[in-house]
Amino acid sequence: SAVISQKPSRDICQRGTSLTIQCQVDSQVTMMFWYRQQPGQSLTLIATANQGSEATYESGFVIDKFPISRPNLTFSTLTVSNMSPEDSSIYLCSVEGDRLLYGYTFGSGTRLTVV
Amino acid sequence: QKEVEQNSGPLSVPEGAIASLNCTYSDRGSQSFFWYRQYSGKSPELIMFIYSNGDKEDGRFTAQLNKASQYVSLLIRDSQPSDSATYLCAVRVEGQNFVFGPGTRLSVLP
Repeated sequence: SAVISQKPSRDICQRGTSLTIQCQVDSQVTMMFWYRQQPGQSLTLIATANQGSEATYESGFVIDKFPISRPNLTFSTLTVSNMSPEDSSIYLCSVEGDRLLYGYTFGSGTRLTVV
Repeated sequence: QKEVEQNSGPLSVPEGAIASLNCTYSDRGSQSFFWYRQYSGKSPELIMFIYSNGDKEDGRFTAQLNKASQYVSLLIRDSQPSDSATYLCAVRVEGQNFVFGPGTRLSVLP
């Protein structure tokens, strides 16, 4: 399965600032996914990022708050903009498995604390 | 609204026992079912997937699927303290994104 490098692994940020999270995959993948996992909660999909097109955002998430880039088939970034303490979460990128219908593989996650 | 439900736990079992984790889902069009294990502070790790009704075994893990009852379970035989984690059930309709359950926290007591 794909190996995903995600960074930073953690950060403490001031409210009102922005943080960009990077996700690098060791193979070309069509779709990359960004998830949020709030403390003690399950995974919530933020958006799906396809190379060469605008990201598709889930209900409750908007591009102005979570802009996403997908410049090629192995890389994506998620920016958390104008942060508030409510944005404190773990952010995870993921990709499809090697075969259709296989489960997602997740990056190691970014633990964000906004103070 | 597609829903995946799990008991949040914690589910406590003694070492060596069978741990049984359950998951129900609302969308009858769901076609593939996944179990992820997530250790505290770590990202989810895929441990089992199942597409067809019945049982699927992989080592100490058995996934069971009953589409008529919209029910999928994960059995862990000979539970070990290292199995202590949160187990996430994920369900997918072809062509759509995963829906994750809230997870069940399992504690295996030495």
